[in-house]
Amino acid sequence: GEEVAQTPKHLVRGEGQKAKLYCAPIKGHSYVFWYQQVLKNEFKFLISFQNENVFDETGMPKERFSAKCLPNSPCSLEIQATKLEDSAVYFCASSQGGDNEQFFGPGTRLTVL
Amino acid sequence: SQQGEEDPQALSIQEGENATMNCSYKTSINNLQWYRQNSGRGLVHLILIRSNEREKHSGRLRVTLDTSKKSSSLLITASRAADTASYFCATEGYSTLTFGKGTMLLVSP
Repeated sequence: GEEVAQTPKHLVRGEGQKAKLYCAPIKGHSYVFWYQQVLKNEFKFLISFQNENVFDETGMPKERFSAKCLPNSPCSLEIQATKLEDSAVYFCASSQGGDNEQFFGPGTRLTVL
Repeated sequence: SQQGEEDPQALSIQEGENATMNCSYKTSINNLQWYRQNSGRGLVHLILIRSNEREKHSGRLRVTLDTSKKSSSLLITASRAADTASYFCATEGYSTLTFGKGTMLLVSP
């Protein structure tokens, strides 16, 4: 597609439940990025992919967070055993090359109760 | 830790005035990008300036980059109420964007 698509728009989970977020990058873009935005300001980089390969995962809390980008499927970000502090908007972005402009999706708002 | 730091945190101006936002960063970069975020919405890419460029224009936007001072500025000329949004600078190194905390711009009619 011509835009980065993210689903769902909103996700509500009880503490300890699993959350799974999806992202479809722009067609032809080989890089996918996940960011977490807490409280409408700071963006935190989580992980990036070059095609289906993890490119940089330095921002991922590895204990509970995992992500995949499999061929012919939307990319996914999964949080096992969610905590209150995971409440945030999760943005996915894609780009043609690693140092090109990144195009962001509308985000998924995760609320952990 | 955050790479970019925007200044000011908030800016309130009248329509027609110019708005200038500044961004400072700490380490070497490949490029610096400016984004806009309207309340409750996703990020919209505004402009990308590479480390070997000093100035770039796009419509009413003018971006400067001073790599010796590790700083950038975004100038919006002849502002409109529709420019009301948060503006973020993001530095790119090894394909990862590191964002500042943003400047909240309010343009009053």
